[in-house]
Amino acid sequence: EDKVVQSPLSLVVHEGDTVTLNCSYEVTNFRSLLWYKQEKKAPTFLFMLTSSGIEKKSGRLSSILDKKELFSILNITATQTGDSAVYLCAVGAGNNRKLIWGLGTSLAVNP
Amino acid sequence: ETGVTQSPTHLIKTRGQQVTLRCSSQSGHNTVSWYQQALGQGPQFIFQYYREEENGRGNFPPRFSGLQFPNYSSELNVNALELDDSALYLCASSLEGTMNTEAFFGQGTRLTVV
Repeated sequence: EDKVVQSPLSLVVHEGDTVTLNCSYEVTNFRSLLWYKQEKKAPTFLFMLTSSGIEKKSGRLSSILDKKELFSILNITATQTGDSAVYLCAVGAGNNRKLIWGLGTSLAVNP
Repeated sequence: ETGVTQSPTHLIKTRGQQVTLRCSSQSGHNTVSWYQQALGQGPQFIFQYYREEENGRGNFPPRFSGLQFPNYSSELNVNALELDDSALYLCASSLEGTMNTEAFFGQGTRLTVV
């Protein structure tokens, strides 16, 4: 059965800290790994990763994929209170490219 | 703004009733996927529609059904509502036919079954 596991499930940090969120997966016919940020409603797209070892970066956020070890990490440096959200990892797999989702990591950044 | 719109944004229904949720996909996208997200959980895949046909289904009973129209908009229908159907229903549009494509989400419909 396809599965995506995120860790930790929740995290509380202070502003300015650096955090690393993990996503491991076991799927058939891997296509891509996607990171989303969910605040109140719909998940907002952050990154899509398809190749190992190539870092994707957007401001203070960066992510990298390891297809040999079947995981990805999402780094957030110099965290701000606005980074507080649930960070979801999803893996595109199979012929219909459905997305298999992890449960998310709930990040709280305290001032 | 992703260009994916869902309606209604909130809905309250009684157990046993039927509901229809709607989704307009982003311009240029031909695939719509529906997800159910219960409180504190990640989204669960319900089904996907590609070119007006169901293109994959998750572990949901037949009372969850859908449609996709020629303009690629889509509906999710749920019959005989149960209390556990209360959730955020998310619609995501994407472009199939490419090897890798991100999905963009609408704002969701919050369904409460009482």
